Amino acid sequence: AQKVTQAQTEISVVEKEDVTLDCVYETRDTTYYLFWYKQPPSGELVFLIRRNSFDEQNEISGRYSWNFQKSTSSFNFTITASQVVDSAVYFCALRSGAGSYQLTFGKGTKLSVIP
Amino acid sequence: DTGVSQNPRHKITKRGQNVTFRCDPISEHNRLYWYRQTLGQGPEFLTYFQNEAQLEKSRLLSDRFSAERPKGSFSTLEIQRTEQGDSAMYLCASGYMNTEAFFGQGTRLTVV
Repeated sequence: AQKVTQAQTEISVVEKEDVTLDCVYETRDTTYYLFWYKQPPSGELVFLIRRNSFDEQNEISGRYSWNFQKSTSSFNFTITASQVVDSAVYFCALRSGAGSYQLTFGKGTKLSVIP
Repeated sequence: DTGVSQNPRHKITKRGQNVTFRCDPISEHNRLYWYRQTLGQGPEFLTYFQNEAQLEKSRLLSDRFSAERPKGSFSTLEIQRTEQGDSAMYLCASGYMNTEAFFGQGTRLTVV
């Protein structure tokens, strides 16, 4: 069975602070995909990144960066110099690479950036 | 607008009534997914279509739930004899080959 744990339920930071959202996953698959989605108050899930299990390179996209570590089954997300527009619920998700296309989501972390 | 479109955005229904939701995926996407999200939780997978074939169904999808994608384009999700526990946000997503899933804004169902 697959499982995604986001231990942080809510985080509040002051604008311009850096913040890291944690994600720990469990899977028996050797090939799998990891995702991060953002859900603003409007409700639509916005895709942020996809990473496959064979690519452990960290990735940076503007103020966003992701740290994938297979040894600890973690895929953490860091926002640098946070802004009020970053306030949202962030979900980490896992998909098997073995034929199933369903995503298993964590419970999400609600990030509030205070001006 | 080239995103995933869901209608209606909100639906209030009385317990025991049937409801139907529609999802129009991104036009070139052959995969279509339905998820359900309750308050404070992440989305839970319900079912998945590749073109018009329904290839995966979750155990969450009781016999009161049925989904169709008749021509491999839009999809409908019907809930028969609604119960209060069906109150949730129903999310549709579409994708192509091994791409990520793109989500619509969801249909919020309230059963009173």
